[in-house]
Amino acid sequence: AQKVTQAQTEISVVEKEDVTLDCVYETRDTTYYLFWYKQPPSGELVFLIRRNSFDEQNEISGRYSWNFQKSTSSFNFTITASQVVDSAVYFCALVNNNAGNMLTFGGGTRLMVKP
Amino acid sequence: DTEVTQTPKHLVMGMTNKKSLKCEQHMGHRAMYWYKQKAKKPPELMFVYSYEKLSINESVPSRFSPECPNSSLLNLHLHALQPEDSALYLCASSQVTLAKNIQYFGAGTRLSVL
Repeated sequence: AQKVTQAQTEISVVEKEDVTLDCVYETRDTTYYLFWYKQPPSGELVFLIRRNSFDEQNEISGRYSWNFQKSTSSFNFTITASQVVDSAVYFCALVNNNAGNMLTFGGGTRLMVKP
Repeated sequence: DTEVTQTPKHLVMGMTNKKSLKCEQHMGHRAMYWYKQKAKKPPELMFVYSYEKLSINESVPSRFSPECPNSSLLNLHLHALQPEDSALYLCASSQVTLAKNIQYFGAGTRLSVL
């Protein structure tokens, strides 16, 4: 069985602050993929990133960066210089061989960025 | 283009009505999904279609009936729903193989059952 935990249910920051969203996962598989999705108030889940279990390189995309550490089973997401448009619910998710194409979602973190 | 289109965006129905939700993608994906999402919760998987065949049914009540007429379309037929079925219904699509599996989601249908 697999599990994804996002311990932070809500985070509130002021615009331009940096913020890190935590994600911890459990799986017995050696091959798995980790994801981050953004869900703005409109409802659509927007794909942000996918990382496979064999690639621990951190990634940066503009103001977004991701830190994958297998030793701590974590895949954290940092937004630098946050903006009001970053306000959304962010979901971390996992998929592995045993679960086929089934995404296991974390509970989500609601990020509120205030002007 | 990573667009998944869902119609309608909003739907209000009575418990005796029959309605359908529609989902369309043109990315050549052969896996399509229905999820149900309640407020402040993550999406819950309902059904998975792989190569137009139902491959996963997560013990969903029979008042929800999925249909995949072709590789681009996915429908969810609704009949005799209960008020607790009110939720956001999300459709997604992806490649079938795990190595290429990124699920792209539509904007969802907000369903209210009166």
